[in-house]
Amino acid sequence: DAGVIQSPRHEVTEMGQEVTLRCKPISGHDYLFWYRQTMMRGLELLIYFNNNVPIDDSGMPEDRFSAKMPNASFSTLKIQPSEPRDSAVYFCASTWTGLNTDTQYFGPGTRLTVL
Amino acid sequence: QKEVEQNSGPLSVPEGAIASLNCTYSDRGSQSFFWYRQYSGKSPELIMFIYSNGDKEDGRFTAQLNKASQYVSLLIRDSQPSDSATYLCAVIAGITQGGSEKLVFGKGTKLTVNP
Repeated sequence: DAGVIQSPRHEVTEMGQEVTLRCKPISGHDYLFWYRQTMMRGLELLIYFNNNVPIDDSGMPEDRFSAKMPNASFSTLKIQPSEPRDSAVYFCASTWTGLNTDTQYFGPGTRLTVL
Repeated sequence: QKEVEQNSGPLSVPEGAIASLNCTYSDRGSQSFFWYRQYSGKSPELIMFIYSNGDKEDGRFTAQLNKASQYVSLLIRDSQPSDSATYLCAVIAGITQGGSEKLVFGKGTKLTVNP
C-alpha cells in the first residue's frame, strides 16, 4: 500500500480564498483523522471519521472549516474563506481502530500558507 | 493549567545514554496515553500507547505510567543519534461536548543525541 496520501503537499493562497485539502487513507482503515500543527498551538486533532461518518469535530476551529468523507477512500478539509492564521501543516492519518490504538499512519502533510 | 505539559527542551544526551522524557496531565480521569516521534519536517509517528499503570517496553523504548501522580514518561535506552527528534505526548483527556473522547497533545520535547 502507498500509505496515506495527501494533496497538495504545499499550498500558497491569498486571504479570502477557498482552500481544499485532500486525503486518501490506507485501504481498509475505518478511521480517518485530520490534524493541524503550528508552532504556537502544537499538534491539534481537528476532526475524525469512522466509516465515513464524522465522530467528533470539536477541534474544528470555526465555521470556516469543514470536512467531508464522501467514501471510504477520500476525504477533504475545506477552509472558506482562508485567513493568515490558518497557515499551518495539516496532516491526515488513518487506522483500523479509533483513538485508542497503537497504530496510526500519518500522511506527509500539506503545508498551507495564507498570505 | 495546561492539559498536557512537557518540557520543551532541548534535551541533550550522549550516544548510549538513557534519555528520559516526561509528560504531566491535568485530567485525573484520563485513561489512554501516547508517545509520538516527529523528525524535523516530517510527519508524527505513533511509537507507544499505554493505558495501564506501570511500564510498557518495546525494544529500546519504555513508557511508564503513573496515574496517581498524573505523569507518563518515555525512556529511550542506548540512545542513538537517529533518535534525535521531537517527542510528543498525547492524552485522551475527558469527553468533548459531542460525547467523544478528547485527544490532547503536549507541545513536545526536542531530543538531541550527540555522537
